[in-house]
Amino acid sequence: QSVLTQPASVSGSPGQSITISCTGTDSDVGGYKYVSWYQQYPGKAPELLIYDVTNRPSGVSDRFSGSKSDNTASLTISGLQAEDEALYYCSSYTTSTTLVFGGGTKLTVL
Amino acid sequence: QVQLVQSGTEVKKPGASVKVSCKASGYIFIYYHIHWVRQAPGQGLEWMGRINPHTGDTKYAQKYQGRVTMTRDTSISTAYMELSSLTSDDTVVYYCARGKATGFLDYWGQGTLATVSS
Repeated sequence: QSVLTQPASVSGSPGQSITISCTGTDSDVGGYKYVSWYQQYPGKAPELLIYDVTNRPSGVSDRFSGSKSDNTASLTISGLQAEDEALYYCSSYTTSTTLVFGGGTKLTVL
Repeated sequence: QVQLVQSGTEVKKPGASVKVSCKASGYIFIYYHIHWVRQAPGQGLEWMGRINPHTGDTKYAQKYQGRVTMTRDTSISTAYMELSSLTSDDTVVYYCARGKATGFLDYWGQGTLATVSS
């Protein structure tokens, strides 16, 4: 059982936008602006997409954006492309100075 | 360029221990934490803990307290994660990752598969 709650799956057509939610508590998502998002392809290590809620590392497409409201963070992918089909995980720093992950969301591009 | 290179596949018997290494290059090793994350087959990511290579200070997930030990050798820029009392539930891929102060993991190792089987 993951600490952060994500939908198991989302889908969208090429060119559309989708949003993946990540719900935690006051002790993690709601307590800090330290939510990050990762993309993982099958058999590969995760890669950082978003950090500190809204920031993109160098090299990450601006089609990926993050936001947060209270205890729920969100990842939005605009202009969906076939290559975006992957697993997406959120993570948050916690009041216990640990990290917690969401259960992961499988994105299908129709 | 920043790289984290992990040790190879492990096969262990139940009750044994596994020790995975993570060699860092391309940055100053002591400036960033090393985190360990595991992933069971077909399952999500699970944070196990982190080590501060500068001080050796560690923080473990409560679930692994007493069973995991994270260490480092600064002379060779390598971090280690040892997990004891293995069961079949510990058949997972272990990842090391470089961590920033706010907890995001910006570079990851390639993963190490550990299989626990009698």
